Amino acid sequence: KQEVTQIPAALSVPEGENLVLNCSFTDSAIYNLQWFRQDPGKGLTSLLLIQSSQREQTSGRLNASLDKSSGRSTLYIAASQPGDSATYLCAVLGSQGNLIFGKGTKLSVKP
Amino acid sequence: NAGVTQTPKFQVLKTGQSMTLQCAQDMNHEYMSWYRQDPGMGLRLIHYSVGAGITDQGEVPNGYNVSRSTTEDFPLRLLSAAPSQTSVYFCASSSKRTLQKGETQYFGPGTRLLVL
Repeated sequence: KQEVTQIPAALSVPEGENLVLNCSFTDSAIYNLQWFRQDPGKGLTSLLLIQSSQREQTSGRLNASLDKSSGRSTLYIAASQPGDSATYLCAVLGSQGNLIFGKGTKLSVKP
Repeated sequence: NAGVTQTPKFQVLKTGQSMTLQCAQDMNHEYMSWYRQDPGMGLRLIHYSVGAGITDQGEVPNGYNVSRSTTEDFPLRLLSAAPSQTSVYFCASSSKRTLQKGETQYFGPGTRLLVL
């Protein structure tokens, strides 16, 4: 059974810092891995999707890496801003088209 | 395309009542899923379907029933609501074709359910 773990559960940083969020998964047979952002009371916003054959994806200040063999992914946020404050969710997609989510990392960026 | 739609947006139930959360998609996706989200728990898979007439259980199926009579619709039924089912429910869809193209699941806006 696939399990996804995110560390840390919460993170507070001053504005401008670079930071890394971690995600690990137990079964390497995945279609892809995705990072989502969720603001309080809102739905999910997809940030980055890494196919199982890829090693990393970049979008603006965000960079996500995938090491399938070790079951790990990281989300790197450069030059953090208060607007980055949200919960970040990691999820892996299995062969039956559904996602297994981690519990998320709640990020707070202080001005 | 309307994408994935969910109704209602918000619902209050009394313990023991039954109700159906509706989910529909107009993208001809074969895969559809239901998730629930509780504080500090991420999203957990309730039931999923890989095509019309085919459903299977996810991580937390107890107390919920699903059916998939058409490609477009995937309703979630609460048979006898309990306070533990207070949550936000998300429906999602995708297809083998879109997954192979590197696309993500498409999520509905969610249904917020309160069981008293």
